[in-house]
Formats: sequence, C-alpha cells, structure tokens
Amino acid sequence: RKEVEQDPGPFNVPEGATVAFNCTYSNSASQSFFWYRQDCRKEPKLLMSVYSSGNEDGRFTAQLNRASQYISLLIRDSKLSDSATYLCVVNIYSNSGYALNFGKGTSLLVTP
Amino acid sequence: GAVVSQHPSRVICKSGTSVKIECRSLDFQATTMFWYRQFPKQSLMLMATSNEGSKATYEQGVEKDKFLINHASLTLSTLTVTSAHPEDSSFYICSARDGGTEQFFGPGTRLTVL
Repeated sequence: RKEVEQDPGPFNVPEGATVAFNCTYSNSASQSFFWYRQDCRKEPKLLMSVYSSGNEDGRFTAQLNRASQYISLLIRDSKLSDSATYLCVVNIYSNSGYALNFGKGTSLLVTP
Repeated sequence: GAVVSQHPSRVICKSGTSVKIECRSLDFQATTMFWYRQFPKQSLMLMATSNEGSKATYEQGVEKDKFLINHASLTLSTLTVTSAHPEDSSFYICSARDGGTEQFFGPGTRLTVL
C-alpha cells in the first residue's frame, strides 16, 4: 500500500468551477501535511500547509481528518492559471529524520 | 529568501558516463539536503538525505555506490550518477532545509542518458 494515495485525475473543469481533491495517508505517525503544486517539468512549490482545524488561503481551503487519515483541498472559482498537478505531501519522522512523502499528484486542467 | 539552485538544469550524456548535479542554497545555510527522483507521471521519490559533514542516508532500493552524494558545506550538496544508463534518465530534484521543517526545492535537473 502506498504511503500517500491520490486520485490521479485528470480533473477537467471550466473556469469558475469549484473542484475538490482528496488524499489518504497510511502512516498514523505522520507529523505534518501539505499541498504542493507542480507545473509541468518544474519543481514542486508549497501551496499550503494543512491543519486539523482546517485552513483557508484565498480561494483554497485545506482540511485534515487525522482519525480517517484523510486530507482534502478545495479550490473555488477556478482560474486558468490553476491548471497544474496538485501533490498531497505528508511529513513523517523516520530513522533518517523528517522526510516528505509525496503522492503521485492529481492533475487539474481548467478550461475557458 | 530561501532560494535553492541546481546545476545543470538539463544534461544529456552517453551511457556509461558519470554526471554530477549540484544543489546550492543561495541565501541560507542548509543543515539537511534531500535528493529526489521523479519519473514521468510518478511521484517524487526520496533517494537520500544528507546532513552537512556526514554520510548520506539512502532510502531502500537506492544504490549508494551508484548515486554518490557529497554535502561538504552548508550551502552545497552534489549528486553524482556514476556509470549512467538509460534507465537512470529522470528528473532529479534537490531540496534544502535550514533547521526548520519547511523544505525549499531546487528547479530540478532533467537527465537523459542515451
């Protein structure tokens, strides 16, 4: 079983739509949680951290459910520039220290 | 702030040659650097973690003799792919952390082995 699982998509949505991505993780000892955005052939960039209380950054809302080991990302009023791959990332402490575990990513294409 | 650079951004080499990739933290001291590999349509996979001045810790399945990592200073780590083969063709990304929990990623190096 993969450590971090995501629906790969692609999600094709029109501009202005609301879209939600889900992610599950297997290691209950996971310490912290993030959503990263990765554009084609580029490095991942931190979009936002995810907290149990839920957090919002503009059009983006992230939620964490530790009991279900489930993370979500909601994007409201989608823009063309939101087209990218969204990576669910979990920080786990192991023998080599803290390490980020990445999901395969969910591909989003926002169309005019 | 928190800029990480990688060099080269792209390299094409013949099978059997060795390739060195540099990762630099430009405006902070990186106590820990990480090397990842990403194959097309796959997730980033951690290859190894290196702390300045000590040997790198490799993830299971990553050959330490093939992927040589040197973290000689607080701002520079190098990954050398020795005797590269076509199956080593991938996107190699480094990240650096200053003592905190956030990792800052380099722009990646695309390696193509012919």
